[in-house]
Amino acid sequence: NAGVTQTPKFQVLKTGQSMTLQCAQDMNHNSMYWYRQDPGMGLRLIYYSASEGTTDKGEVPNGYNVSRLNKREFSLRLESAAPSQTSVYFCASSEDPQYSGYTFGSGTRLTVV
Amino acid sequence: LAKTTQPISMDSYEGQEVNITCSHNNIATNDYITWYQQFPSQGPRFIIQGYKTKVTNEVASLFIPADRKSSTLSLPRVSLSDTAVYYCLVDSNYQLIWGAGTKLIIKP
Repeated sequence: NAGVTQTPKFQVLKTGQSMTLQCAQDMNHNSMYWYRQDPGMGLRLIYYSASEGTTDKGEVPNGYNVSRLNKREFSLRLESAAPSQTSVYFCASSEDPQYSGYTFGSGTRLTVV
Repeated sequence: LAKTTQPISMDSYEGQEVNITCSHNNIATNDYITWYQQFPSQGPRFIIQGYKTKVTNEVASLFIPADRKSSTLSLPRVSLSDTAVYYCLVDSNYQLIWGAGTKLIIKP
């Protein structure tokens, strides 16, 4: 099925460890996004990529880096994980959000201990 | 930037019409409004989007008054499967302002 695929679905890290969350979309969308979702706070934008080769900071970029590897793939890296980064992470893509909204992946539940 | 506010939770019964209102007092001229539905352990799913007046699709209607300071998502004849969290989003040229979500519980 067409859509946004995120890996892994679950991950437990120790404080200070690093990891990369992978995201791929097969809808030929130009724009891709990384969000985190915490209880009672809705979704907050970490980084986005409006097109291949560009990335920009969102609302909460500190502690994260991203790479737009190609048009399909957009990865999120935690260089030194902290307990405050325990969250559910969603990747999304869009062609033109003004007309078709965003398509979200199923999420990665990350726990940092 | 607009700030979105929506009720934390709502209850209703199968077969009823449900209206969820989101306020966005500082919405800018070019901003548009989108609603998403989210089930547990899933990503949000697009429901409907609008700029002004009324928009209707196969699952919902969206009412936006002339001043655009609020919007109302209307779900006709809800069923148990409509139990979910509903989010209002104001999209302001990549500045995405999400509401905290309304947990809708549908009872038999």
